[in-house]
Amino acid sequence: EIVMTQSPATLSVSPGERATLSCRASQSVSSNLAWYQQKPGQAPRLLIYGASTRATGIPARFSGSGSGTEFTLTISSLQSEDFAVYYCQQYNNWPQTFGQGTKLEIK
Amino acid sequence: QVQLVESGGGVVQPGGSLRLSCAASGFTFSSYGMHWVRQAPGKGLEWVAFIRYDGSNKYYADSVKGRFTISRDNSKNTLYLQMNSLRAEDTAVYYCAKDLYCALGDWGQGTLVTVSS
Repeated sequence: EIVMTQSPATLSVSPGERATLSCRASQSVSSNLAWYQQKPGQAPRLLIYGASTRATGIPARFSGSGSGTEFTLTISSLQSEDFAVYYCQQYNNWPQTFGQGTKLEIK
Repeated sequence: QVQLVESGGGVVQPGGSLRLSCAASGFTFSSYGMHWVRQAPGKGLEWVAFIRYDGSNKYYADSVKGRFTISRDNSKNTLYLQMNSLRAEDTAVYYCAKDLYCALGDWGQGTLVTVSS
């Protein structure tokens, strides 16, 4: 199965600043990569699919990039509601697999 | 709007069985593939299983293959997960999710399964 590795495990950023989260696949997943946000006690929410397409209702400050094995989620200007855990997921091969998550915390 | 409501979770002994349900509304259920994803307490997300819109193809995580069965009843707008030979490591919140080009577009709120003696 494809192993997804996210870095860093924890990212401390101040509100209003930019956050950059990374995701690496153990083999190419083309652009079949999604990002999810999860807040405590809530279900995950789809942010990005196809590596760079924002899901319905997702603010423009969220952007995704990359293809193959290296991917990035960028949040351009952090709002208080953006502090959460973020997961990447590949759906190029079965079984689908998630990264271990990056916790984005307030600095 | 899309609504997914899981049910059927609870406490079960190791080796036991449980069937989860996911009631769908707000979209044409019979036109979409569906997923199950789980999250152990304090841990990350683990994809569990997928079924095509018509039930013709099913895929499973290696950790549940041969023990879990995903199915659906399009006449009842309901997705199922039959879980047999349950282990302590199957303890998790189980989410159903609606497929969006193979990503997980909409999620339910989850149902907790606890495997313990």
